[in-house]
Amino acid sequence: QQQVKQSPQSLIVQKGGISIINCAYENTAFDYFPWYQQFPGKGPALLIAIRPDVSEKKEGRFTISFNKSAKQFSLHIMDSQPGDSATYFCAASITSGTYKYIFGTGTRLKVLA
Amino acid sequence: DSGVTQTPKHLITATGQRVTLRCSPRSGDLSVYWYQQSLDQGLQFLIQYYNGEERAKGNILERFSAQQFPDLHSELNLSSLELGDSALYFCASSQVAGSPLHFGNGTRLTVT
Repeated sequence: QQQVKQSPQSLIVQKGGISIINCAYENTAFDYFPWYQQFPGKGPALLIAIRPDVSEKKEGRFTISFNKSAKQFSLHIMDSQPGDSATYFCAASITSGTYKYIFGTGTRLKVLA
Repeated sequence: DSGVTQTPKHLITATGQRVTLRCSPRSGDLSVYWYQQSLDQGLQFLIQYYNGEERAKGNILERFSAQQFPDLHSELNLSSLELGDSALYFCASSQVAGSPLHFGNGTRLTVT
């Protein structure tokens, strides 16, 4: 119940294309769903986050779509650029009590020039 | 720059040894989290502290321990090291419950 399942494990997209990464969770107590971006040799950095009271959040070329009934959320990267090549992690958290983040297993994105 | 500082950046040691990893959280952040990332693996939650007190434990081995000091910096102690402990160890901090995590750049531990 504490797992967050992320797919695909790796993704290759042409420059200008749309990158889509999916995550699914089981625990309905999760109430905060961030996405992190990690470049080699660096720590993960918060990219965008959503709470379950909205179905979509957009920041620039990055959009989170959230489906509460299906317990799924996804990251869409529009107009993907070679600079977007990185590993992306979804996460889920319960923002009360122990406030423990659970991360997905990561998606390695490569955007071809 | 996330504002979270981890030292050292690299650590090479032998099996059976003990090491200490240090983390200074962002200014104002009360919570510190430790994560382990093995090669091509995800982020495994180890332990969380809030204002000096342990708040949550993940898959942390008994050979590992941590603490958060009054100045809010944290240390992760790894003892009786095994080859399988080789990994990137990340520290993250957050202000309060519900606020985002900010990660340091990690300590790369190599056990030979």
